[in-house]
Amino acid sequence: GEDVEQSLFLSVREGDSSVINCTYTDSSSTYLYWYKQEPGAGLQLLTYIFSNMDMKQDQRLTVLLNKKDKHLSLRIADTQTGDSAIYFCAALYGSGNTGKLIFGQGTTLQVKP
Amino acid sequence: SAVISQKPSRDICQRGTSLTIQCQVDSQVTMMFWYRQQPGQSLTLIATANQGSEATYESGFVIDKFPISRPNLTFSTLTVSNMSPEDSSIYLCSAFTVANTGELFFGEGSRLTVL
Repeated sequence: GEDVEQSLFLSVREGDSSVINCTYTDSSSTYLYWYKQEPGAGLQLLTYIFSNMDMKQDQRLTVLLNKKDKHLSLRIADTQTGDSAIYFCAALYGSGNTGKLIFGQGTTLQVKP
Repeated sequence: SAVISQKPSRDICQRGTSLTIQCQVDSQVTMMFWYRQQPGQSLTLIATANQGSEATYESGFVIDKFPISRPNLTFSTLTVSNMSPEDSSIYLCSAFTVANTGELFFGEGSRLTVL
């Protein structure tokens, strides 16, 4: 079945890099996403990657996809205190814009000054 | 990017009442999705709403409890019926962009507290 797993907590120092990891079970996923949720707020789409790509970089964010191991990671360079939030990994199953998004449990990133 | 607006942003409701949440997208989209996020939890898909047809519900969610309307390509509503404290959650609406590039955006969510 479809399942997405994340570690629950990560603590880093300001200025360091953060790496948040995610694994998924079903290799038929089409897109994989990273969302950020700050306290009391909705979900902000940070980045996403199509399943036939290995890597995507967008400013401080780098997404790596290892399809063989069904492993997705989000690297945040030069982590700032404003990056403190919950980060959700999600996998899309299905075609086009009719797919179903399965979310991980979320990783709480704590950035210490 | 798509802009998705939800109303109300939050509400406190009495047990046994029903509340309708509205979701407005700033562009026409084919599918709209409703999710629930219970306190401290991840998101769970409730149903998929397609314009002109009945919504498709996920396992564990039924139309009598969560009726959905989708009258046009930019608007949808989710009603939480006969509420109990267990329905206290954030309810989020989402949609893909028209360009269908894979970007899936979410509204800010509607935080319901049922007393």
